[in-house]
Amino acid sequence: EAGVAQSPRYKIIEKRQSVAFWCNPISGHATLYWYQQILGQGPKLLIQFQNNGVVDDSQLPKDRFSAERLKGVDSTLKIQPAKLEDSAVYLCASSLYEVRLTDTQYFGPGTRLTVL
Amino acid sequence: GENVEQHPSTLSVQEGDSAVIKCTYSDSASNYFPWYKQELGKGPQLIIDIRSNVGEKKDQRIAVTLNKTAKHFSLHITETQPEDSAVYFCAASSAGGYQKVTFGTGTKLQVIP
Repeated sequence: EAGVAQSPRYKIIEKRQSVAFWCNPISGHATLYWYQQILGQGPKLLIQFQNNGVVDDSQLPKDRFSAERLKGVDSTLKIQPAKLEDSAVYLCASSLYEVRLTDTQYFGPGTRLTVL
Repeated sequence: GENVEQHPSTLSVQEGDSAVIKCTYSDSASNYFPWYKQELGKGPQLIIDIRSNVGEKKDQRIAVTLNKTAKHFSLHITETQPEDSAVYFCAASSAGGYQKVTFGTGTKLQVIP
């Protein structure tokens, strides 16, 4: 079974530029999560989707971050414009069941973003 | 919201010794407690989990204990091996309308051959 795929793996941009990350979850997984992991910290949830609907985006900085999950499969996370403090690893995860159930999350390898 | 504290932040053990990582959580409604292992350049991988109706769970060399009254849970790794070296995260999941996982700050485990 293929795991969660993410691209790109690394990205370096200047502050105030825009960037987009892509995630392909495990086939058939209903729930998709985006996390931000700053160096030396645990992952922090940004947004979670059930199929193509947003369940929780309370920690997403909506003035600069946006995310979508078209057709309930792939997802993109965008930052526009980027700030220095956005430098982090962005992790995508998916789980099989709907969000109302506690369920194993499978993580992708992440995208390491460096903002200069 | 939920707050998860994790100790220690770094841990060095000799190969073959045991390692213990401890976490506390704040939300008494949390009912699911996964542990993740993260190797360099990779995403976290679930290694074991425990639900609030169970006090202890074992899987070969790893075990997790949960004390709901005190709101703390621990990871125990016995007979440590160099390949156990990684960053370990505890997490707690709230039992509300949907699952929301809050991670601890991580423990960097180094197993010295």
